[in-house]
Amino acid sequence: GEDVEQSLFLSVREGDSSVINCTYTDSSSTYLYWYKQEPGAGLQLLTYIFSNMDMKQDQRLTVLLNKKDKHLSLRIADTQTGDSAIYFCAEVEGSSNTGKLIFGQGTTLQVKP
Amino acid sequence: DTEVTQTPKHLVMGMTNKKSLKCEQHMGHRAMYWYKQKAKKPPELMFVYSYEKLSINESVPSRFSPECPNSSLLNLHLHALQPEDSALYLCASSQDMPSPDTQYFGPGTRLTVL
Repeated sequence: GEDVEQSLFLSVREGDSSVINCTYTDSSSTYLYWYKQEPGAGLQLLTYIFSNMDMKQDQRLTVLLNKKDKHLSLRIADTQTGDSAIYFCAEVEGSSNTGKLIFGQGTTLQVKP
Repeated sequence: DTEVTQTPKHLVMGMTNKKSLKCEQHMGHRAMYWYKQKAKKPPELMFVYSYEKLSINESVPSRFSPECPNSSLLNLHLHALQPEDSALYLCASSQDMPSPDTQYFGPGTRLTVL
């Protein structure tokens, strides 16, 4: 079945760039998402990218998609302490046509002042 | 406005209690979802409603009973839960289904079963 993998932890200094990586297996995925979850909160949609795009930029966020390698990354420029959270990569399950999201395990981003 | 609201924020219940979780959205979305999330884990899909009809049940135990009274509301009725059911319960909605469409999540209800 489909699988999404992420590294579990990333630590950066405030002001640096953060890059969170994700790999997925379902080549038929049409949408790929990044969600942010702060402690005790729900999931906040950060950004998404269509599978026919290579890059999407939205203020401090840049998403890169390499379809050949099934690799997705999220770059956060000028990382702030408020960016500390768990970041989930997700793809839509392509085979069942249900819109079901397949999540990665989440990457905990720690931003040190 | 991309807001999904959930009540209550926190709920503590005994194993013999009956309680309900509520979710509401006013974005005109026709698909609504319940997820369960354990600490430090990704959300796990439980149920999906599409146009007020249950379209997906991910083999969830019958002690969880979903209900969609109208297109804006989604309930999750709880009865005879177990301590291992303690988790964050998240509601989400999307424009339409079936189709890959962006899901917007609520803040969740933190459930503790004693």
